[in-house]
Amino acid sequence: DAKTTQPTSMDCAEGRAANLPCNHSTISGNEYVYWYRQIHSQGPQYIIHGLKNNETNEMASLIITEDRKSSTLILPHATLRDTAVYYCIVKRPAGNKLTFGGGTRVLVKP
Amino acid sequence: GAGVSQSPSNKVTEKGKDVELRCDPISGHTALYWYRQSLGQGLEFLIYFQGNSAPDKSGLPSDRFSAERTGGSVSTLTIQRTQQEDSAVYLCASSGGGHEETQYFGPGTRLLVL
Repeated sequence: DAKTTQPTSMDCAEGRAANLPCNHSTISGNEYVYWYRQIHSQGPQYIIHGLKNNETNEMASLIITEDRKSSTLILPHATLRDTAVYYCIVKRPAGNKLTFGGGTRVLVKP
Repeated sequence: GAGVSQSPSNKVTEKGKDVELRCDPISGHTALYWYRQSLGQGLEFLIYFQGNSAPDKSGLPSDRFSAERTGGSVSTLTIQRTQQEDSAVYLCASSGGGHEETQYFGPGTRLLVL
């Protein structure tokens, strides 16, 4: 599975949009981009995933560049409960383990 | 619907004892994964079950670790002769199979070996 690069940490103001970048320049054509987050002392929580097209759900939006070498997770209105470590993961479909890197530690401030 | 559940939520044991950790996947999910996360570290893959296929045990750190999945549902991870370095959070995830296979995680079991 392709390696990902994320900023180590970032702060965000409560109520503002949080934009979390991820580089995956070696991504292959059949690999998906997944985002998870882990709030302190909890199991990882699935957020969103995509292949080529931008995706949106009740939690977030995922913007994937046309060349698929990078993506951005957008939390439209960050709340204090969104403080967590966010992981960008590239994975082949079907039957492969998730490889978690260091992630981005996001701190939402009042 | 119900998510992935794990038990116990916390386990304290003495070095050298055996422990069993349980995972109940989401109903109908055919794939089940075990990971562990040591303090301040990332997730480490341990083992993967998919239907009736032979499990992928490539992540098990030693032969003291084993896992089984009975009836294609509940899974038990067993650690024999526990060591202090086995202390970690053990996480289970399940997925429904199919092309995209999103994995959903349980809350984990926090194991402390004294």
